[in-house]
Amino acid sequence: AQSVTQLGSHVSVSEGALVLLRCNYSSSVPPYLFWYVQYPNQGLQLLLKYTTGATLVKGINGFEAEFKKSETSFHLTKPSAHMSDAAEYFCAVTALSGGYNKLIFGAGTRLAVHP
Amino acid sequence: DTGVSQNPRHKITKRGQNVTFRCDPISEHNRLYWYRQTLGQGPEFLTYFQNEAQLEKSRLLSDRFSAERPKGSFSTLEIQRTEQGDSAMYLCASSPGGKTEAFFGQGTRLTVV
Repeated sequence: AQSVTQLGSHVSVSEGALVLLRCNYSSSVPPYLFWYVQYPNQGLQLLLKYTTGATLVKGINGFEAEFKKSETSFHLTKPSAHMSDAAEYFCAVTALSGGYNKLIFGAGTRLAVHP
Repeated sequence: DTGVSQNPRHKITKRGQNVTFRCDPISEHNRLYWYRQTLGQGPEFLTYFQNEAQLEKSRLLSDRFSAERPKGSFSTLEIQRTEQGDSAMYLCASSPGGKTEAFFGQGTRLTVV
């Protein structure tokens, strides 16, 4: 079975500060990991993904995440927060069971950015 | 590529009524997924279609829920005899075969009063 834990349901940062959103996963098989962003009353937009290969992955809007197998983590970072980054962020895991990606999501972290 | 389209965006219904939602995936995406998202939670998997075949259904999908994907194009999700606990955002996603990304629609927000 797979699961995702996002530490911190709410994170608040100042504009220009480092953003760090934490994600730990559990998977009995090599995981594929994703970060999605959701703006109010909108669907989910893919920020970045890790499948295989390089463990540091870069995504859209200046975000990046590092897959650390030993720590079972996939934390999301951005060096400098922008007001437009305020949204809800979801970490997800899948194992391509049956050849398709059924995503298991964490509960989400709401990011607030203040001036 | 117009993205995944879901209709309606919002639906308010009285308890006990039936509702149907529609999802139009990105053209040529043969994989289609439905998820449910309740307030303050991440999306939860409901069901998966590959072309017209429904290959997996979550235990969350009670007998009151039915999903179809005739001809492997658009999909519908019907909820019969709605209950207040059905109030949620229903998200549809699609992906092409062999790829890992799922592209999500904007969702249908259901409110049962």
